[in-house]
Amino acid sequence: GAVVSQHPSWVICKSGTSVKIECRSLDFQATTMFWYRQFPKQSLMLMATSNEGSKATYEQGVEKDKFLINHASLTLSTLTVTSAHPEDSSFYICSAERPSGSGHEQFFGPGTRLTVL
Amino acid sequence: GIQVEQSPPDLILQEGANSTLRCNFSDSVNNLQWFHQNPWGQLINLFYIPSGTKQNGRLSATTVATERYSLLYISSSQTTDSGVYFCAVGPYSGAGSYQLTFGKGTKLSVIP
Repeated sequence: GAVVSQHPSWVICKSGTSVKIECRSLDFQATTMFWYRQFPKQSLMLMATSNEGSKATYEQGVEKDKFLINHASLTLSTLTVTSAHPEDSSFYICSAERPSGSGHEQFFGPGTRLTVL
Repeated sequence: GIQVEQSPPDLILQEGANSTLRCNFSDSVNNLQWFHQNPWGQLINLFYIPSGTKQNGRLSATTVATERYSLLYISSSQTTDSGVYFCAVGPYSGAGSYQLTFGKGTKLSVIP
């Protein structure tokens, strides 16, 4: 169990357009999901925490108006990159949190490669 | 925020060899996970181990929370073990969620 999907796997878009990425927990409900960004040969950086039914919490330095997050149900969170520019090109990964013992464990989607031309 | 250091940054092994990867962290944690990132970018959960010892096949992990480190052991390595291994830790961050801070990873290359 604990499968997380992302769609699309990759996307190429023109500068100035908006791109929506979906993250779904397929076999469990997730009150909390997370969005990360990873540059080539680097580690994952947390962008925001997405809570079902409430506003997302963004990490310092992440523009909330550029990276719109919606968590409308217990199995779906979306990340919309608005007015994308080449510097937004990156690998975006989501995760969903599930209780494990006395804590919580995160399970990750396969990621979305965004290339902005 | 919490600091996470992984060592070594790079590791090259002959197939069949054993290895130990280390993760040091700077503060108390309620969450610690080990992941393997495959060449396609997928993060595979290896262990959820905020404390204690766990084993899964050729892999095992130990976290000594009081001394703020965790170890990942890989025995009888195979070429399919190649990739980047990440340690991620997190304190309880309120509202029922556990944010993770990732280390920079250990890049493992297993050669035939």
